Amino acid sequence: EAQVTQNPRYLITVTGKKLTVTCSQNMNHEYMSWYRQDPGLGLRQIYYSMNVEVTDKGDVPEGYKVSRKEKRNFPLILESPSPNQTSLYFCASSFRMTSGVGYTGELFFGEGSRLTVL
Amino acid sequence: AQKITQTQPGMFVQEKEAVTLDCTYDTSDQSYGLFWYKQPSSGEMIFLIYQGSYDEQNATEGRYSLNFQKARKSANLVISASQLGDSAMYFCAMRGLRSGYNKLIFGAGTRLAVHP
Repeated sequence: EAQVTQNPRYLITVTGKKLTVTCSQNMNHEYMSWYRQDPGLGLRQIYYSMNVEVTDKGDVPEGYKVSRKEKRNFPLILESPSPNQTSLYFCASSFRMTSGVGYTGELFFGEGSRLTVL
Repeated sequence: AQKITQTQPGMFVQEKEAVTLDCTYDTSDQSYGLFWYKQPSSGEMIFLIYQGSYDEQNATEGRYSLNFQKARKSANLVISASQLGDSAMYFCAMRGLRSGYNKLIFGAGTRLAVHP
């Protein structure tokens, strides 16, 4: 089954305790991305990766790190979490989109990881 | 700047009736894609429908259709024959050439409640 898998799905942690949210996709997608969802703000992009070893910042990258050592995996790292990083996090993937013509560029989302930082 | 605006924080509709969820977008790109996603209370993001900027016909997927008015920069989602299972949050999103198609820009969402 084609899917994007995130772990953990739920996590409560304390300020400053490093954590990693894993993301894996089995669709051979080049493009992967992390989003956070906050009420009234929709989803905002944190980081994205266009391929192995190629990553770039999105709109809200502060306090986060990512790596892309393998095509299928794109972990999100919070080195020193703070309460303002309490949020619902989504990993997403797609084939690399090079044209808006005749290709959906649909993003496939993981089920989400709800993180609470106390 | 690229932006998606959903002006209806909440909507309700009677079961079996049609409902339109509004979405307007702002972009200077000529090439872009517009998406609608559904987020039920369980939290996952479900892709519903896509419209490309060069598509001349409105997209349709089952009970979902996208009313694309390019000159007005609007991409409204129409759900026909609403069902109780349609109760969810709905997000409009855009992916465009300017960002190298590397970013999906989302609106704030519309929460739809379907009443029996």
